Amino acid sequence: GIQVEQSPPDLILQEGANSTLRCNFSDSVNNLQWFHQNPWGQLINLFYIPSGTKQNGRLSATTVATERYSLLYISSSQTTDSGVYFCAVERGNNDMRFGAGTRLTVKP
Amino acid sequence: GAGVSQSPSNKVTEKGKDVELRCDPISGHTALYWYRQSLGQGLEFLIYFQGNSAPDKSGLPSDRFSAERTGGSVSTLTIQRTQQEDSAVYLCASSLGQGLRASGGFNEQFFGPGTRLTVL
Repeated sequence: GIQVEQSPPDLILQEGANSTLRCNFSDSVNNLQWFHQNPWGQLINLFYIPSGTKQNGRLSATTVATERYSLLYISSSQTTDSGVYFCAVERGNNDMRFGAGTRLTVKP
Repeated sequence: GAGVSQSPSNKVTEKGKDVELRCDPISGHTALYWYRQSLGQGLEFLIYFQGNSAPDKSGLPSDRFSAERTGGSVSTLTIQRTQQEDSAVYLCASSLGQGLRASGGFNEQFFGPGTRLTVL
């Protein structure tokens, strides 16, 4: 099956710093999503981004489907950005695969 | 309601017992999804429903797992003869419109808080 790799696995930042999280996938996909799971376990959909670039406040994402990767940018990080960031790729046969996640800790 | 709700929030059961987990999607959302998150396997997609259509069950981990959705709204995930490896957080999500977009993927999903299942 399709492999989804996220990097780095762990990231510690000082508040105010910027970061880039990466998601590589091994085969062509129909769609890709980024999620944030906060320290209390709640999952929130951040971006639905099969290709191109989207921005939402301090967060933006870019997917280059032809090169099989997506990037999530976090600017001016805040302590509330802490948690685990997952990417998930979707194929046409009702198949959705998640990466192992990047655990982000933002220190005050 | 305002968001996806799941019940119970926590369930502790003995090995071999059956459990039922419930999901109430956001009103008006026609697509509903079940996932589980465990320490060993990470996040896994289990099954999705589009309205009243029969779901694709190929993502379910074993034949002890079944899911149904009554009236295109509330869904229950049933695990029969639970095993310790079934211990996980079971997450439900819902989305607007068609579960599969024209391009072949899922719409943006909104997640419930999950049910933490512990099998002793």
